[in-house]
Amino acid sequence: GESVGLHLPTLSVQEGDNSIINCAYSNSASDYFIWYKQESGKGPQFIIDIRSNMDKRQGQRVTVLLNKTVKHLSLQIAATQPGDSAVYFCAETPGSSNTGKLIFGQGTTLQVKP
Amino acid sequence: GAGVSQSPSNKVTEKGKDVELRCDPISGHTALYWYRQSLGQGLEFLIYFQGNSAPDKSGLPSDRFSAERTGGSVSTLTIQRTQQEDSAVYLCASSLGSGAAAQHFGDGTRLSIL
Repeated sequence: GESVGLHLPTLSVQEGDNSIINCAYSNSASDYFIWYKQESGKGPQFIIDIRSNMDKRQGQRVTVLLNKTVKHLSLQIAATQPGDSAVYFCAETPGSSNTGKLIFGQGTTLQVKP
Repeated sequence: GAGVSQSPSNKVTEKGKDVELRCDPISGHTALYWYRQSLGQGLEFLIYFQGNSAPDKSGLPSDRFSAERTGGSVSTLTIQRTQQEDSAVYLCASSLGSGAAAQHFGDGTRLSIL
């Protein structure tokens, strides 16, 4: 069935280091992927997205990599800061891009040590 | 404000009562989504509205759950005869279109059923 999973429930990094958060997905027909950041008591905040016709996309301090061969998605955060501490979710749209719903993974908690 | 607005932010009610949760999407966004997030979990899709099309209700867990969107803007999620397992954070999101379009979330309604 459809599922999106994250490889590690918690990731602890030192301030200033780079962080890599991984995600595996099972639906090879998925063609749109998003990363969200969620702080306690808040709704998910959009970070970056990528379509399946791309394998890399960069934003401000963040990079998303998509490997369709092994159905793997990763989020790289450069020079991690204390404000980056949050739960990070990957999500995909299953099947056709005309479907609005997102399938979310369970989340990875990023802890940034000062 | 310019973001998605949800009310109330918190709702405590007794088992068996009906509740209504409200969502004001971002102005101009044609697509609106409801998700549910249980403690420490990822988001679970409930329902999706796109323009004047019939909504995608495939995620509603039972017939006690319903939602409507009036005038293509504000949406209300109604839960009838609430049960304790309905306790969760209910999140609303909107986007400019469906499919491969970033969904922007409100901060949710935290629903507690006693």
